[in-house]
Amino acid sequence: QVQLVESGGGVIQPGRSLRLSCAASGFTFNTYDFHWVRQAPGKGLQWIAIISYDGSNKDYADSVKGRFLISRDNSKNTLYLQMTSLRADDTAVYYCARGDIVVVPAAGYYFDSWGQGTLVTVSS
Amino acid sequence: DIQMTQSPSSLSASVGDRVAIACRASQSIRSSLNWYQQKPGRAPKLLIHTASSLQSGAPSRFSGSGSGTDFTLTISSLQPEDFAIYYCQQTYTSRYTFGQGTKLEI
Repeated sequence: QVQLVESGGGVIQPGRSLRLSCAASGFTFNTYDFHWVRQAPGKGLQWIAIISYDGSNKDYADSVKGRFLISRDNSKNTLYLQMTSLRADDTAVYYCARGDIVVVPAAGYYFDSWGQGTLVTVSS
Repeated sequence: DIQMTQSPSSLSASVGDRVAIACRASQSIRSSLNWYQQKPGRAPKLLIHTASSLQSGAPSRFSGSGSGTDFTLTISSLQPEDFAIYYCQQTYTSRYTFGQGTKLEI
């Protein structure tokens, strides 16, 4: 079955860097786009980054653009999020999510599988 | 970016009730609207995609409707396990914005 397992979270000081990983299993990793979505404590969901199935296309939310880098290693079935210049407002649970496409009865795109999340706390 | 607004922000209901949650987009998103359920301490779970298609494994008491800017998630007969937070999400543009969430509670 589809499994996504995030790791790498923890407590980190402001201005420092951290790399999150998302290990995938149970499906053909290199045929899917992937996303990072975060959720600050007690708040809603915020999409932050996408990477295409082959890593050739990436996009970011304005709040993390220039500070975060999404990447993937298809040989290791693993997604990454390199976070730099961390700020207190980056404190959140970070989820990886798989993107999938449907074409019938209507074209659509959705996040059909999610990891359990990893908590990043930015604090001095 | 497209803004997604859900109403109400919270909703009290009882087991067996029929409830509806609304989601409005700041511009037309055609049918590019998904609904997720999130329980405390858990990852979101896809319920409805493309406005009205029930995700495999989701109970049939969940249904979605709408297109353009106005959408609705309906639960036909609330079950105890349905008390959770529900989020809509647009995937019409690549900045995949979510609504602020609707907390469904007893």
